[in-house]
Amino acid sequence: ETGVTQSPTHLIKTRGQQVTLRCSSQSGHNTVSWYQQALGQGPQFIFQYYREEENGRGNFPPRFSGLQFPNYSSELNVNALELDDSALYLCASSFAPGANVLTFGAGSRLTVL
Amino acid sequence: KNEVEQSPQNLTAQEGEFITINCSYSVGISALHWLQQHPGGGIVSLFMLSSGKKKHGRLIATINIQEKHSSLHITASHPRDSAVYICAVHQGAQKLVFGQGTRLTINP
Repeated sequence: ETGVTQSPTHLIKTRGQQVTLRCSSQSGHNTVSWYQQALGQGPQFIFQYYREEENGRGNFPPRFSGLQFPNYSSELNVNALELDDSALYLCASSFAPGANVLTFGAGSRLTVL
Repeated sequence: KNEVEQSPQNLTAQEGEFITINCSYSVGISALHWLQQHPGGGIVSLFMLSSGKKKHGRLIATINIQEKHSSLHITASHPRDSAVYICAVHQGAQKLVFGQGTRLTINP
């Protein structure tokens, strides 16, 4: 049984650029949630994908978008990067929306200069 | 005011001490998680609670639904317990709401 894998682990971008982060869900899990964790803060919910559809969204602007693929892996895309987008981006997979068992990835640390 | 509040924000203790981290929440929840985050970012789920008490090794978690409060206890603390401990609550099917975390440092 594989866990949740995120890539890349670290990346540096400049303001205005676009970034794509990837998450492979744990085997048997069809739901992926994305979170943004600023330095020294708790994670904030960005959105959730279930069976390739967005299934709930937090308080993030439309330049944060996502995709889920038929194998239930997922991407987080951020357009027009801003300095405040610098954070650790975490994904977590589960076998259903609202399932209480979650498996987290190690995160992708994005630095925007 | 945050929907999930943890205390203390930082805690330093000596090896062997009994540790308590508290979490209070102001919203209706279906479950509460205690998570451990090591430097580098990876998060490990320690407990999921909807009522009562759970124990795993030296870790004990309790929840009082009426008082909207949960505690995480560590007995016989060890330097390898040093990490950030995060309380998170399930609010609806999609959303986890996280506390800001408690940074625990155990000195040898």
